[in-house]
Amino acid sequence: DIQMTQSPSSLSASVGDRVTLTCRASQSITTYLNWYQQKPGKAPNLLIYAGSNFQSGVPSRFSGSGSGTDFTLTISSLQPEDFATYYCQQSHTIPYTFGQGTKLEIK
Amino acid sequence: EVQLVDSGGGLVQPGGSLRLSCAASGFTFSSYGMVWVRQAPGKGLEWVSGISASGGSTYYADSVKGRFTISRDNSKNTLYLQMHSLRAEDTALYYCARREGTYVMGGYYFDCWGQGTLVTVSS
Repeated sequence: DIQMTQSPSSLSASVGDRVTLTCRASQSITTYLNWYQQKPGKAPNLLIYAGSNFQSGVPSRFSGSGSGTDFTLTISSLQPEDFATYYCQQSHTIPYTFGQGTKLEIK
Repeated sequence: EVQLVDSGGGLVQPGGSLRLSCAASGFTFSSYGMVWVRQAPGKGLEWVSGISASGGSTYYADSVKGRFTISRDNSKNTLYLQMHSLRAEDTALYYCARREGTYVMGGYYFDCWGQGTLVTVSS
């Protein structure tokens, strides 16, 4: 199975900060990488697919980049509603594994 | 509006069985692959199983292979997950999700999710 490792596991930041979350695959997945946001008690919400493509309705402050094994999700200016847990997920090979998540908290 | 409604969860004893359902509306169900993803209490997301649009292809995580069966009824716009030989480690919130995209064009992603149904395996 392809292992997905996210870093950091948690991050404290302030409204207006620029933050970058990292996801690393145990082998190359080209750009078969998706990002989801999950708020407490809610289902995950797709943000970015195929490495860098915006899902409809996602604010432009979110961006994704990377290929091969290393990927990033950047939030250019944190808003109060962005404090949540973020998961990366590879769709290169079944099983479609997720990272363990990065919890973004208010400083 | 695209909507997925999960149901069928509950408390079951170890070794027991349960069938989850996911009712779809607002889109052409028979045109999309579907998946089940679970989340143990306080833990991350785990892909469990997937099925093609026609139902002709199915896929499973090793942790559930041989115990769980995914299926769909396109005439009823409903996805199922039949679970047998349940274990304590199967305790989780189970989400169905719509699979979008193509493998050739950047891979699959899960763009719509149900609200989840809780399965608790305990004696």
